[in-house]
Amino acid sequence: DQQVKQNSPSLSVQEGRISILNCDYTNSMFDYFLWYKKYPAEGPTFLISISSIKDKNEDGRFTVFLNKSAKHLSLHIVPSQPGDSAVYFCAASARGGGATNKLIFGTGTLLAVQP
Amino acid sequence: EAQVTQNPRYLITVTGKKLTVTCSQNMNHEYMSWYRQDPGLGLRQIYYSMNVEVTDKGDVPEGYKVSRKEKRNFPLILESPSPNQTSLYFCASSFPPGQGAMTFFGQGTRLTVV
Repeated sequence: DQQVKQNSPSLSVQEGRISILNCDYTNSMFDYFLWYKKYPAEGPTFLISISSIKDKNEDGRFTVFLNKSAKHLSLHIVPSQPGDSAVYFCAASARGGGATNKLIFGTGTLLAVQP
Repeated sequence: EAQVTQNPRYLITVTGKKLTVTCSQNMNHEYMSWYRQDPGLGLRQIYYSMNVEVTDKGDVPEGYKVSRKEKRNFPLILESPSPNQTSLYFCASSFPPGQGAMTFFGQGTRLTVV
């Protein structure tokens, strides 16, 4: 079963507009959420994160929102730029040891920002 | 420069021929792991290691082995590769993820088993 879901495989946005990427999770034990960005032929790179004690975290053009009651988070990119075109992975982790001590990734959303 | 280095970047092999993908990190991270990326399935964890000589299965461990004899190295071993192991593989390292630590990824190894 997929504990972290990204239901939109792809998203196309015009340059300068807002990009909104969504992610849903099922495990209420998750307490930390991250977004990774991946360009072709490269490994994923960390973009932004949020702890479950917060509902918003902002870093420049990137903002992540967390709605714990809905088990939903979203990544907003404003304004979108062509260089933002990449696959975005949502990931979650839970405090504790053993099998829970790992990142669980979503399936990714391919963002295409059109000039 | 902080990095995770994995080799080779590309590999084509035949069914049953043992292979090793190496992974090394220079950040003194305790936690290392291997993922595979497949279309529509995202990144799935194969094995992880919480420290030297401590390894455990991830979500898709069948057909893989790992070892952690030194903190910096975490090789992935395919004793008898099969075509269903054709995939894009990533090595990753971090401080323990449960503490919300950032995970660093290698550049990936594209493996094709024919």
